Amino acid sequence: EIMMTQSPGTLSVSPGERATLSCRASQSVSSNLAWYQQKPGQAPRLLIYDASTRAPGIPARFSGSGSGTEFTLTISSLQSEDSAVYYCQQYNKWPPITFGQGTRLEIK
Amino acid sequence: QVLLQESGPGLVRPSQTLSLTCTVSGGSISSGGHYWSWLRQPAGKELEWVGRIWTSGSTQYNPSLNNRITISLDTAKNQFSLKLSSVTASDTAVYFCARDVRRGIDCWGQGTLVTVSS
Repeated sequence: EIMMTQSPGTLSVSPGERATLSCRASQSVSSNLAWYQQKPGQAPRLLIYDASTRAPGIPARFSGSGSGTEFTLTISSLQSEDSAVYYCQQYNKWPPITFGQGTRLEIK
Repeated sequence: QVLLQESGPGLVRPSQTLSLTCTVSGGSISSGGHYWSWLRQPAGKELEWVGRIWTSGSTQYNPSLNNRITISLDTAKNQFSLKLSSVTASDTAVYFCARDVRRGIDCWGQGTLVTVSS
């Protein structure tokens, strides 16, 4: 099973600033990585797939990068509605598909 | 627009079988070459992938569920289902049904809370 580790656990950033979230895989997942946003009481929402491709309808301020074992989700010019928990997920080797433990993003 | 909706009992007794159904609307479950998936999330915890079924009916399950799981398709009703046997309190979670397009999970149900308790 591939373990996904996200950091930091919680991130607090001011509106208009940039947030950088990290995800590390226990072995290479190539570029087979997705990022999700989950707000309280809601289902997750796909933001990024193939490590760097934005899903339809996702604002350009969300960007993903990385390959192999190290990945980054960057949210530029933070807005209040970006407050959420963000998860990375690998789909390179399964079963099982695995998720990170999440990063909670707080907007100051 | 594809929509998914979970349904089933919100309370299951320990050692019994959890049964949930996902109804898909806005598209056929038997077309498109997608996986139809189940995931769960205990309160305040991360997402856990439970398993999925291909449009052909082939299945993949999370090995951690120790062969307790069965996922099936009902193409006539445009539904897919989850059965999880011998449940314990650790199976208490919000269960999501979802569409896996092999490059991420792009459509999700709203989720349904299942509590295992006597």
